[in-house]
Amino acid sequence: DTGVSQNPRHKITKRGQNVTFRCDPISEHNRLYWYRQTLGQGPEFLTYFQNEAQLEKSRLLSDRFSAERPKGSFSTLEIQRTEQGDSAMYLCASSLGVRLHGELFFGEGSRLTVL
Amino acid sequence: QKEVEQNSGPLSVPEGAIASLNCTYSDRGSQSFFWYRQYSGKSPELIMFIYSNGDKEDGRFTAQLNKASQYVSLLIRDSQPSDSATYLCAVMGSGGGADGLTFGKGTHLIIQP
Repeated sequence: DTGVSQNPRHKITKRGQNVTFRCDPISEHNRLYWYRQTLGQGPEFLTYFQNEAQLEKSRLLSDRFSAERPKGSFSTLEIQRTEQGDSAMYLCASSLGVRLHGELFFGEGSRLTVL
Repeated sequence: QKEVEQNSGPLSVPEGAIASLNCTYSDRGSQSFFWYRQYSGKSPELIMFIYSNGDKEDGRFTAQLNKASQYVSLLIRDSQPSDSATYLCAVMGSGGGADGLTFGKGTHLIIQP
């Protein structure tokens, strides 16, 4: 399977714990995006990488959220000191540089439940 | 605050009929417009995009854009039960990737056999 891969698919954690999600984009895609989706809502944009450069991070929901993409390959999204309101599906998407920015291939998502 | 509005539905359409999904957006600077399909429990999948006024056809799908009215629509001809899903309208601003896509809440479409 050469699609976008996300791990773990499900994560249950207690409030106050840190969690990290990993995304492996389609291999030739240089753009990588993180979105969050809650029930009944469309995905909400969080951050954007072109290669290893994080070109937009102001939309990360708070300073508890951070993302990295070392060497322009896989990416991680970390949430520190989780809160119940962080419970959501975290979606990673990638795209090829010559395509429109909105032509995204989404992974299956990482579902976070904060107890 | 950029907004994308969709009727949440459910929109129920008989099999074989035309399903019409609509979307309005608030940012006049928006450059490109996308329709994603999302099956229950799955991630969104791109169906079509459009960036010029008028119609764009791809198989059973037609996207329509009217920038003056800030209106986008998706028509699905010969609707099939497999078309039953939530359809998300998404808009990209002039800032490209740094803007990110702004999604609507989606319209839940049900195709009745």
